[in-house]
Amino acid sequence: DAGVIQSPRHEVTEMGQEVTLRCKPISGHDYLFWYRQTMMRGLELLIYFNNNVPIDDSGMPEDRFSAKMPNASFSTLKIQPSEPRDSAVYFCASSLAHGGGYTFGSGTRLTVV
Amino acid sequence: KQEVTQIPAALSVPEGENLVLNCSFTDSAIYNLQWFRQDPGKGLTSLLLIQSSQREQTSGRLNASLDKSSGRSTLYIAASQPGDSATYLCARFGNQFYFGTGTSLTVIP
Repeated sequence: DAGVIQSPRHEVTEMGQEVTLRCKPISGHDYLFWYRQTMMRGLELLIYFNNNVPIDDSGMPEDRFSAKMPNASFSTLKIQPSEPRDSAVYFCASSLAHGGGYTFGSGTRLTVV
Repeated sequence: KQEVTQIPAALSVPEGENLVLNCSFTDSAIYNLQWFRQDPGKGLTSLLLIQSSQREQTSGRLNASLDKSSGRSTLYIAASQPGDSATYLCARFGNQFYFGTGTSLTVIP
């Protein structure tokens, strides 16, 4: 397995633009997580899915953020409109079971100017 | 609210030393605890996963222990090498998921 695959690796966009981050979890993993990492706040859980269904989105900072998982092999995190304070590294992770070991993707470094 | 604390925030040791990284948490109702390393500008690499029913796990020069009663986990690195230089994060999985803020380790050749 190629692991958790995220795209793009880097994204630079202007304030107000829509940004879409993509994630392909490990095949067979039932859980998918979106995290955001900043120097100030460390790793923050944004949302997680179980069997493609959003379970907990309490970490999503604002309505500007939305996440979908249309099937078991693909998820998106969308920010619309983007703001400079959204600049961070966004990680996707998947796991086989609740509380099971995470496997992380390489992350998407987002810069909003 | 800080649920997982890692001390120290930074550590610098000479090559060859054995060292211990600490992780403490306030909620004993955990499922599992996992240790990761993160290299600058990179993602997180899983090192060791300790199931809630286990007390420790070992992989090569690494040994992680879990003491739920005291709310602590430690990561022991034997015979440290410059390639071990990275940030080490612990994460606990209970009713919610929390990561520590990490310990930045530098091993000096």
